[in-house]
Order: sequence, then structure tokens, then C-alpha cells
Amino acid sequence: GDSVTQMEGPVTLSEEAFLTINCTYTATGYPSLFWYVQYPGEGLQLLLKATKADDKGSNKGFEATYRKETTSFHLEKGSVQVSDSAVYFCALSSTGRRALTFGSGTRLQVQP
Amino acid sequence: DGGITQSPKYLFRKEGQNVTLSCEQNLNHDAMYWYRQDPGQGLRLIYYSQIVNDFQKGDIAEGYSVSREKKESFPLTVTSAQKNPTAFYLCASSATGTPGNTIYFGEGSWLTVV
Repeated sequence: GDSVTQMEGPVTLSEEAFLTINCTYTATGYPSLFWYVQYPGEGLQLLLKATKADDKGSNKGFEATYRKETTSFHLEKGSVQVSDSAVYFCALSSTGRRALTFGSGTRLQVQP
Repeated sequence: DGGITQSPKYLFRKEGQNVTLSCEQNLNHDAMYWYRQDPGQGLRLIYYSQIVNDFQKGDIAEGYSVSREKKESFPLTVTSAQKNPTAFYLCASSATGTPGNTIYFGEGSWLTVV
């Protein structure tokens, strides 16, 4: 079945540091890939997505590239801010299951 | 404003009681979903519905039930058969169930067993 693996957290960075959160997946066919962000006590917000190989999703300075050869969708940001502190979820949807399958989430803490 | 409304935000359940969580969307979306989130963990799919009057079990459907009588509504009942219901419940919707469509989430409902 479909599955998503994310790096364990928490990830603690200083403001303006470079961020990478690793995400790899297993799925049948050609899944669509997503990053969602969750702030404390809230629902999830879509951060970015990519629907085919080599697509790059981007939003608010975050980027991720759909790499089919390595089955990866790593999240990156060049310079994080305190306001980026949240939990980040990698997810996929596929024709085999028309609902999102989530990774376990990675908590990011950015210190001033 | 368009969106997904979950209610109540906080709910307490006594042992042996059934409770129903409401989810309403005014986005004219065909597909709706229920997820459960336990502290520090990812989201697990309970049920989903691609269209009115149809729904499918997700990974952890035991102890839960749903209905989809109207396009805009997808209530979740947590039955007494669910032995560990304390969690954060998230409702979501998308235009269709086609992979690649963005899935939008409500603000969630906290359920606590007392």
C-alpha cells in the first residue's frame, strides 16, 4: 500500500538558517505529492504540491521537487523565520486510494 | 466566506456514549474525508466519501460511523465501540477524489473521554 516516511523531529534551527525536511514515499502508479503545515491547535493548511515527476512546488519561500527516480519530495527553505515554527506533513494521493496518506509529521522550531 | 466548518471545537464524552461531530462545507466539493490525529502523530484516515450517498472505510473505521445524505455535510459518529476515542478529529474536502486535487481541512474538533 501507499506510505510516506518523514525525518524525525523536532528540527531546531536559528532564524535565517537553511531548512531541509526529508520525505520519501512508496506508492503504486504516479501519485501526487503534498506538503501541509499545522500550527498549534489548528487544522492543516496546504503549503505546496506537485502532481507529476520533476514538478517543483513552491510557496512562501518553501520549495519541493517531485523526484520519481528517488521517490522523494524533500521540503526546503533558504532562510527560516520564527513564524515558520510549526509541524510539517508530507502526504500523497494516488489512483489506488483517493485520499491523502500522511507521514508522521516533523516539528520545526525556529529560535530568534 | 467559503470553507469547512467543524463543530463543536471541544467535546467531552462519557464512557459508553455515542457522540457526533459535525462537518459542513460550502465549497461545493464532491469529496469529503475524516481523519484522526493523536498527539505528536500523523493523520489516519477514518472514512471518506467521493459522492453523496456513498462512502468507504479508511484505515481505522472500527468504532466509527458516517453518513453522506447531503453534498455539504459529512457527520462522524464516534460510537461506544471505539475504545480509545480521545483525539483531534479533522474533516476535509476536495472538489473531486481525483489525485492531485487539493484537499482542504477544517479547524478540527477535540474529543476527550471523561
